[in-house]
Amino acid sequence: AQKITQTQPGMFVQEKEAVTLDCTYDTSDQSYGLFWYKQPSSGEMIFLIYQGSYDEQNATEGRYSLNFQKARKSANLVISASQLGDSAMYFCAMRPRGTGNQFYFGTGTSLTVIP
Amino acid sequence: DTAVSQTPKYLVTQMGNDKSIKCEQNLGHDTMYWYKQDSKKFLKIMFSYNNKELIINETVPNRFSPKSPDKAHLNLHINSLELGDSAVYFCASSHGGRTYYEQYFGPGTRLTVT
Repeated sequence: AQKITQTQPGMFVQEKEAVTLDCTYDTSDQSYGLFWYKQPSSGEMIFLIYQGSYDEQNATEGRYSLNFQKARKSANLVISASQLGDSAMYFCAMRPRGTGNQFYFGTGTSLTVIP
Repeated sequence: DTAVSQTPKYLVTQMGNDKSIKCEQNLGHDTMYWYKQDSKKFLKIMFSYNNKELIINETVPNRFSPKSPDKAHLNLHINSLELGDSAVYFCASSHGGRTYYEQYFGPGTRLTVT
């Protein structure tokens, strides 16, 4: 079975601090992609960062980094130097190779940045 | 240039009506999707479609049907609308086949059934 789990329904972080959003996954595929998306209150879905299952380095995109621990099947998103504009819903997603074109999404984490 | 567009952005209708939501992508992707996002923000895949295969989430009522006139369009038709159909519907697209291709989402259509 393919599954993504985000156990933090809501998180708070002080402005300029770093925050980690948790994501664990389950798949029997050896090849898969992991993605994080941001959904601000305006509603659009914004792609943030990608990690491949065979990538040895953790992915980074500006203030976003992905803490990939393959043995633990976790792909946590780290946001450094939080800004007020980071307040949003964050979704973790997985694309296993064996399922072709299917994406599996977690239930999301609502992040609030406190000034 | 909008990558994935949806029309309309808002749709208010009465129970029992039939409605369609249009989706177009200009990214040259071969796979398109429809998602339903409920009030708790859960994203539920409804369909994925490329020029070869339609995959339907088995929990989707058959009142929902995707229609693809060509590779750049995947419209969502809904018959006999019910109150529980009220949600935000997202269209998305992606290149098929490789795990490193992300999805691009449209802006969403907020459907309200009264």
